[in-house]
Amino acid sequence: DVKVTQSSRYLVKRTGEKVFLECVQDMDHENMFWYRQDPGLGLRLIYFSYDVKMKEKGDIPEGYSVSREKKERFSLILESASTNQTSMYLCASTSPRTSAGSGNTIYFGEGSWLTVV
Amino acid sequence: AQRVTQPEKLLSVFKGAPVELKCNYSYSGSPELFWYVQYSRQRLQLLLRHISRESIKGFTADLNKGETSFHLKKPFAQEEDSAMYYCALSGVGDDKIIFGKGTRLHILP
Repeated sequence: DVKVTQSSRYLVKRTGEKVFLECVQDMDHENMFWYRQDPGLGLRLIYFSYDVKMKEKGDIPEGYSVSREKKERFSLILESASTNQTSMYLCASTSPRTSAGSGNTIYFGEGSWLTVV
Repeated sequence: AQRVTQPEKLLSVFKGAPVELKCNYSYSGSPELFWYVQYSRQRLQLLLRHISRESIKGFTADLNKGETSFHLKKPFAQEEDSAMYYCALSGVGDDKIIFGKGTRLHILP
């Protein structure tokens, strides 16, 4: 059974705090993602990593950074949390898409609910 | 630019009636399209992808390249179909996966 595990399900942090959201996958996937999920806005990609120490900005990277020191672990960092970062954060992983038609399934974690007060 | 558009935020359908969740996309290359579903208190999971051309839980979706659409259909809605549905896209040589804003499907008894 494939597993993407997010260490914290519910967090409450104060404005200005540094926040770490951890994600671990056990499928040896090269690609890992962080999304935030907001009502009416769907899933928006924050950062994407296609290999250890490699990362790409997604659509909304401002206020976030990431770390991928090991293949199985992808961390999302909020350097100085703000109230507009209150959201559900979803980690996901997948293997690379090698050619047209080969397809890849993205596996999601259960999500981390972050409230910034 | 890549874009996935789901025009309906909420769709309410009576049990037994047909369902169609709309998805349009914008992509310059060869896309792969997916539908993901999130049931209450569960994680997001893959429902189906266009390359497999299969029916899952009675749902089907056909990629129409001329209309750049990938609408999700089911002939007879069931109460357990109530969930949030996301259309998603990725491209050859591009492992980023872009999602639409989602449509909440509510099946009325």
